[in-house]
Amino acid sequence: QPVLTQASSASASLGSSVKFTCTLSSGHSGYIIAWHQQQPGKAPRYLMKLEYSGSFNKGSGVPDRFSGSTSGADRYLTISNLQSEDEADYYCETWDSNTRVFGGGTRLTVL
Amino acid sequence: EVQLLESGGGLVQPGGSLRLSCAASGFTFSSYAMNWVRQAPGKGLEWVSSISGSGVSTYYADSVKGRFTISRDNSKNTLFMQMNSLRAEDTAVYYCAKLNSVNYIDYWGQGTLVTVSS
Repeated sequence: QPVLTQASSASASLGSSVKFTCTLSSGHSGYIIAWHQQQPGKAPRYLMKLEYSGSFNKGSGVPDRFSGSTSGADRYLTISNLQSEDEADYYCETWDSNTRVFGGGTRLTVL
Repeated sequence: EVQLLESGGGLVQPGGSLRLSCAASGFTFSSYAMNWVRQAPGKGLEWVSSISGSGVSTYYADSVKGRFTISRDNSKNTLFMQMNSLRAEDTAVYYCAKLNSVNYIDYWGQGTLVTVSS
C-alpha cells in the first residue's frame, strides 16, 4: 500500500506564501491525493483533491489563496497571502484497494 | 448542507465496549461509502474502517480487525461503530467521514472522544 511522507513542521510570515509537500512512495506516483486542514481544537476540513496531472478541485468555501500542483511523486499545497487562521495542521490522504492512508501531517506556524 | 454528527464516546475500562453513532444529513446517505478515522491525543490521523454505501462491504485497519465492527442503517441515515475489547491505545477522538464518488474524504464530523482507562 502507498506511504505518504510529509515534513513535520513549517513556518512562514503573515502575508507570505508557503508550499507543503506530500510525497508518494515508490510505485504509487500516479495516485490521487486529498489535502485536509485541521485548525487547533477542531475537526479536519477537506481542502482539495489533487491528481497526478496537477489538476485540483477545491472544497466548498476554500479560499482562492489555496492551490495545488504536482511534480512526479510529489503533491503540493500552496497557500498565498498567509492569514493567522491558516495556522493549522495539514494532512494528505490517499487510498489503495480497501485501505486508506494519511501522511503524518505538517504543522504550520504563521509568524 | 452536509452534516455529520457523532455521539457515543466516553470513558470505558480496558476490555470494555462502546458503540459510536454518526447521524448524517444533507446528502443521499445510501449512495456513499463512509469511514471512521481516529486521532490519538497529540497524534496524526489514522484510518480505522470503511463501509460501502449498501453496507455489504466492510474494511478494517489491522489495529482494530476482529474487535471493531462497522455498520450502517440507511433507513435512518446513521453510521455505527461497535468497539469491543477496548485497549488503552484505542483512546482517541473518533471522526465520522464521508467519501465522495472518487473515493476520498470530502466531509468530516466534529468527532467524539473515546477514553480507555481504569
